[in-house]
Amino acid sequence: GAGVSQSPSNKVTEKGKDVELRCDPISGHTALYWYRQSLGQGLEFLIYFQGNSAPDKSGLPSDRFSAERTGGSVSTLTIQRTQQEDSAVYLCASIDRVGSPLHFGNGTRLTVT
Amino acid sequence: QKEVEQDPGPLSVPEGAIVSLNCTYSNSAFQYFMWYRQYSRKGPELLMYTYSSGNKEDGRFTAQVDKSSKYISLFIRDSQPSDSATYLCAMSEGTGGFKTIFGAGTRLFVKA
Repeated sequence: GAGVSQSPSNKVTEKGKDVELRCDPISGHTALYWYRQSLGQGLEFLIYFQGNSAPDKSGLPSDRFSAERTGGSVSTLTIQRTQQEDSAVYLCASIDRVGSPLHFGNGTRLTVT
Repeated sequence: QKEVEQDPGPLSVPEGAIVSLNCTYSNSAFQYFMWYRQYSRKGPELLMYTYSSGNKEDGRFTAQVDKSSKYISLFIRDSQPSDSATYLCAMSEGTGGFKTIFGAGTRLFVKA
């Protein structure tokens, strides 16, 4: 498996529940990004991890959203108290060095009912 | 005003046509320019990656960057039904870990 892996591929949850989305980046890639893609919309930047530096959280839409990256590899995006407007595809991407293009996973399609 | 503007389409062309997709941007610090193709229920895949101004060709695809006009283009020659997808432009400042900004994507349909 050489690509970015995301799980689950689909998640249906009830409004108010917490969800965790997982991303396994390409081995050896130093930076990891989370984006959100709503129906018919472009990609909205959420958060970025680079090595051991503090993450760039400037795109997180509210304090219900958080993310961590353990051991410089796997990342988890957590959404607390989900709302219907959180329904979207959440995409993870990684790069091997600054300035390189992003390599994306196939995303997690989140539906909040 | 968005940092990157892209006409969402949809754009419908007959097989064999030349397709032109475009984006404009406002941030003059952008140096790296990319085009991604996204099929339904898949993640975006990189098509073209260019640095600064100029042209780059790869098979049926040509990317052009005009930094003076803040305008980038992707041309697809001899379009095929398999080219039907959403095409996203993207750009970044490229140093210090700056984030990549995407256009809204243009939906392309190539009719057989």
